[in-house]
Formats: sequence, structure tokens, C-alpha cells
Amino acid sequence: DADVTQTPRNRITKTGKRIMLECSQTKGHDRMYWYRQDPGLGLRLIYYSFDVKDINKGEISDGYSVSRQAQAKFSLSLESAIPNQTALYFCATSDGQAFNQPQHFGDGTRLSIL
Amino acid sequence: AQKVTQAQTEISVVEKEDVTLDCVYETRDTTYYLFWYKQPPSGELVFLIRRNSFDEQNEISGRYSWNFQKSTSSFNFTITASQVVDSAVYFCALSEMGAQKLVFGQGTRLTINP
Repeated sequence: DADVTQTPRNRITKTGKRIMLECSQTKGHDRMYWYRQDPGLGLRLIYYSFDVKDINKGEISDGYSVSRQAQAKFSLSLESAIPNQTALYFCATSDGQAFNQPQHFGDGTRLSIL
Repeated sequence: AQKVTQAQTEISVVEKEDVTLDCVYETRDTTYYLFWYKQPPSGELVFLIRRNSFDEQNEISGRYSWNFQKSTSSFNFTITASQVVDSAVYFCALSEMGAQKLVFGQGTRLTINP
């Protein structure tokens, strides 16, 4: 089983719909992250969480919200989806002991907003 | 502010050629880490290497090597005797101790032709 699991893997939906992307991990890491990937822009940070009670906005948080339900679960919501939120979304985790630890990524969720 | 630039958007070479992927970074922090990740056509992100700001030794791992030069703020990645399986998008990333976040470059799409 994958250490970082994202569901769904693919989603097509319509403008204005509420969408939730889920992430769960078995690595026991405290830190979790949500990124989006767009062609030519690399990965950009949406939200991150250093523990269950700590949620922080990233570079591009507008239009998104998150919930850290447990150490192992971190969900990303699009309250009212719009077409420019079409992207590949990644969840990642890292060891909470130090900033120098590599992040471990899920396989991604490909989201299309029509 | 932290910034990573990968000026090469796409590179295409013939199998067995050597290829170097460039990465230039900006930071005001004296303590930071640099990373390289690989994204094969299947889409997942695979961690390749990390290097801290106090260690300028080059590193070699099989056909892969990394050249870190603080004087030019660069962390370049060379693949020797490239193979078709090396075809992927490669991302360079920077993590500052102060920011505690990973910032990615735009990525370089590498295509190895048989």
C-alpha cells in the first residue's frame, strides 16, 4: 500500500460544485501539504499543516480550504469550483523533526472543472 | 524571499548522450536545503537527492551527479549516458530553515529519444 494515498485519482466536475480531495498517510509524519501543479509553473503550495491544530496558508490559498481531521488525514476543499482550478493536485508529508527532510508525495489527483 | 529558476523548459537528446539540467536559486537564509525530484510520465513525484547549504561536495549516484556551487547559487544535475527511462519532468526545490516551506522551480521536461 502507498504511504501517501490521495482520493480520488481523477475527477471531472462542473463550475460551482463543491469538491473535496482527501489525503491519508501511514508514514506517521506530523507535517502535511497540499500543492497544485500547472504546466510551466511547477508546484505551488496551497496550504500546509505542521500538526492537527496548526493550519497555514500557502502561496495560493484563495478559493481553497483545508481540514486536518487527524494526524494522518488532510483534506482539501474547493467550495465553489471554477475552471482555472483545473490542475493536478498533490498531497505531501514530511517528518516534523526538521525542515530539511524530503517531502513524500501521493500519486496526485487530476481535477478538471468544466 | 526564496526562489528557484529552471530556465530550461524542455530538453531533448538522443539516448547515451550526457545532459545537464540547470537550477539557480535565490535565498537570504544561510541555512537551507536543495532538492531534486523526478516526475516520470506516470505522474508521481520521486525524491532524488538533497543537499544542505554547508556541504558543497559534489555527489555521484550511478549515472546521476549533482554539482552544488554556492558562489553561483546553482545546483545542477547531470545524467551521464542517458536512457529512455530517464525521460521525465525534473524539479529543483529549495527549503529555507526560516521559511520551513519547499519552493519548486518550474521544472524541466527531459525527453530521451532512442
